[in-house]
Amino acid sequence: GPKVLQIPSHQIIDMGQMVTLNCDPVSNHLYFYWYKQILGQQMEFLVNFYNGKVMEKSKLFKDQFSVERPDGSYFTLKIQPTALEDSAVYFCASSLTGGNTGQLYFGEGSKLTVL
Amino acid sequence: QQQVRQSPQSLTVWEGETTILNCSYEDSTFDYFPWYRQFPGKSPALLIAISLVSNKKEDGRFTIFFNKREKKLSLHITDSQPGDSATYFCAASKAGNTRKLIFGLGTTLQVQP
Repeated sequence: GPKVLQIPSHQIIDMGQMVTLNCDPVSNHLYFYWYKQILGQQMEFLVNFYNGKVMEKSKLFKDQFSVERPDGSYFTLKIQPTALEDSAVYFCASSLTGGNTGQLYFGEGSKLTVL
Repeated sequence: QQQVRQSPQSLTVWEGETTILNCSYEDSTFDYFPWYRQFPGKSPALLIAISLVSNKKEDGRFTIFFNKREKKLSLHITDSQPGDSATYFCAASKAGNTRKLIFGLGTTLQVQP
């Protein structure tokens, strides 16, 4: 089936550094999402993005976070600067349509470890 | 505070048995409830979903039963197979233009041959 690819699968960085997590969504999809999962907790919505704009973001989407998808390339999540509490697995997802029904396609996650 | 609760946290059944996974929610404005399945190291994938207009949704061996009054759902897996071993997430969302899913903590299922 359709696949969402995430790069890197795992990254270890020092606190205060910048990190960019990359997502290659399903090719014809228009809506893009990031979710965060801390070990042992549920996946939590961070942000969704459509037509070059953030549609909605949660309180977890701190000022240090930003998303973009320049010219149809990777959909990226940038964290600058990183903090210890940013350690988590970040899942990218995409969907063809908006609205709250229908299918989200998830990537396998990027595990971020902040030391 | 958990908006979507799942139980049990983990479960082991024998091959051929029926597995029952439970989910409950608080927010009465939720109207769409997908279940996602995640195999270790893989991405979560949509398994089956139900909306507020239905009491039951069936897809092969997988059935969702929905008690709207009590705000409870259950996912039944009949004739459970070792290949069903995975973590199952119940999620909920509200009507609107965004796909903001609220996930439960998941139930990890192990099916023993």
